[in-house]
Amino acid sequence: DTGVSQNPRHKITKRGQNVTFRCDPISEHNRLYWYRQTLGQGPEFLTYFQNEAQLEKSRLLSDRFSAERPKGSFSTLEIQRTEQGDSAMYLCASSLTRRETQYFGPGTRLLVL
Amino acid sequence: AQKVTQAQTEISVVEKEDVTLDCVYETRDTTYYLFWYKQPPSGELVFLIRRNSFDEQNEISGRYSWNFQKSTSSFNFTITASQVVDSAVYFCALSEAGVDSGGSNYKLTFGKGTLLTVNP
Repeated sequence: DTGVSQNPRHKITKRGQNVTFRCDPISEHNRLYWYRQTLGQGPEFLTYFQNEAQLEKSRLLSDRFSAERPKGSFSTLEIQRTEQGDSAMYLCASSLTRRETQYFGPGTRLLVL
Repeated sequence: AQKVTQAQTEISVVEKEDVTLDCVYETRDTTYYLFWYKQPPSGELVFLIRRNSFDEQNEISGRYSWNFQKSTSSFNFTITASQVVDSAVYFCALSEAGVDSGGSNYKLTFGKGTLLTVNP
């Protein structure tokens, strides 16, 4: 059984550039969540999908952030015009249904120079 | 709004000692779920245990056990006979429907984590 996968694992970019991360959830999991984790903190919720529908976005998700989940399979998280404050670990999790346990991927570590 | 507090920032023990990690939570929902996740240096969050709000029975799973008390809103986690491989950051997390956001998100709210170091 394949777990949640995320690509790339690491990304270094210059301020002002756009970056895109991908998350492949566990097969048949219809819920997909994105979290952000900064150094020394716990992960913080960004957004989630029920199949292909994005149902909630955190106030942390500025208008420079956009997420999609076409066809209810993989998801992408794009950050436009990156800022140094965007440097963090971006974590993706999936669950079979809304009340089931969320399983996390290895994360994408972003560094904005 | 939901909140999770892990008062212990760091704990250091010697191998084979038992160690308990504390977690206190706040929620307005009557139905919620509590979790412990482990984050080793590699960074991946690993699910350990889960408890439903309507089941306060405490259990033991291998070297892990937990003490869930709704009266004090606590969900403490114990590792028995700790090992060096247990060294990691441990996160307590709360999941609820979210009465303030339509009642269906079940997003996880995490504490700040406890860094556990097990020395040989």
